[in-house]
Amino acid sequence: AQTVTQSQPEMSVQEAETVTLSCTYDTSESDYYLFWYKQPPSRQMILVIRQEAYKQQNATENRFSVNFQKAAKSFSLKISDSQLGDAAMYFCAYRSAADKIIFGKGTRLHILP
Amino acid sequence: KAGVTQTPRYLIKTRGQQVTLSCSPISGHRSVSWYQQTPGQGLQFLFEYFSETQRNKGNFPGRFSGRQFSNSRSEMNVSTLELGDSALYLCASSFILAGTTDTQYFGPGTRLTVL
Repeated sequence: AQTVTQSQPEMSVQEAETVTLSCTYDTSESDYYLFWYKQPPSRQMILVIRQEAYKQQNATENRFSVNFQKAAKSFSLKISDSQLGDAAMYFCAYRSAADKIIFGKGTRLHILP
Repeated sequence: KAGVTQTPRYLIKTRGQQVTLSCSPISGHRSVSWYQQTPGQGLQFLFEYFSETQRNKGNFPGRFSGRQFSNSRSEMNVSTLELGDSALYLCASSFILAGTTDTQYFGPGTRLTVL
């Protein structure tokens, strides 16, 4: 069965610094999708970034980028120039084609002013 | 365009009761997924509907059921409530099947408390 592991339950970073959130997954599939979602306190969950497994190029969305290592089954999220608004719970998620989405337990990110 | 809406936002029930939660997807979206979020178990997938058909189902007991209407609105029902069903129930919609190249948009959730 597929699993998603986020080994860092909580992290803190100084404002304007860079932080990397880790995520590993286990699957025997070759075609799948990976996601990072952000859930701010008492606010709706939003998609931060996604990566198609068949793409070798790492996805980037403004200050957010991923380091996708398919062989190592690793999918980390890097947040550059951290801002106070980045404080949230971040979930890594996996889905193979036409199958259910599996979420990690989440990493709570604190931004220190 | 209006976002995903969920009603009610908060709900308090007692053990043994039944509850129905509603989700209205973004206009034009045909896929609706439901998730249960708890501090201990995190986010767990309940089910996914696409064009009124259940496409995927998570590992939840039969007390959890759902359906989707022709206008893509979806409901989920939990019968014989247990204390452990207390959770935030999230609904998400997408134009096509969730998790592909399409983006899922989440609603604010329904906070269910079972006493």
